[in-house]
Amino acid sequence: DVKVTQSSRYLVKRTGEKVFLECVQDMDHENMFWYRQDPGLGLRLIYFSYDVKMKEKGDIPEGYSVSREKKERFSLILESASTNQTSMYLCASSLANHNSPLHFGNGTRLTVT
Amino acid sequence: TQLLEQSPQFLSIQEGENLTVYCNSSSVFSSLQWYRQEPGEGPVLLVTVVTGGEVKKLKRLTFQFGDARKDSSLHITAAQPGDTGLYLCAGKPYPDSNYQLIWGAGTKLIIKP
Repeated sequence: DVKVTQSSRYLVKRTGEKVFLECVQDMDHENMFWYRQDPGLGLRLIYFSYDVKMKEKGDIPEGYSVSREKKERFSLILESASTNQTSMYLCASSLANHNSPLHFGNGTRLTVT
Repeated sequence: TQLLEQSPQFLSIQEGENLTVYCNSSSVFSSLQWYRQEPGEGPVLLVTVVTGGEVKKLKRLTFQFGDARKDSSLHITAAQPGDTGLYLCAGKPYPDSNYQLIWGAGTKLIIKP
């Protein structure tokens, strides 16, 4: 079974702090994703990576950056956390094949105070 | 902007009842995926439908892709408490993209014993 592991289940940070969310997958998937999930809004894509050191902006990249130095690891960085970034963050991975399903981690619930 | 409208947003029914969840759009999708998310976990893929008019069954769950590939439905027969969760649909729009998915806002389903 594919396993996608997010380093923290819960995080509480202060406004202005730099925040790192880490994600590791163990199935050699090419694609990795960061989403945020807010009630009533569904999943919104922040960034996507299709290969090491490659990244593309999703629908809501403002205030975020990402890093993919190794194939199995995809990091989301909040350069200066703000209260409107309080959310559930979901990491996912998939094969590069068309229609390949997403495999999600269990999420990191981030609260910015 | 492509949208995928999911309804109802919330549904609470008794064990043994039947229910249907809908995903509708004015856009055509090359495929559509259904996920279920349980509290504290990430979404897990239930099914992918690809062909217009396609019907797939997964035990008591029946998934249908509309003939025009703009809509989909999930029907649950004789719902069980274990069906409780957030159901999400996600469509892959034309032209094909390796990563882009349009997400519905989700249907929160509660099955009462």
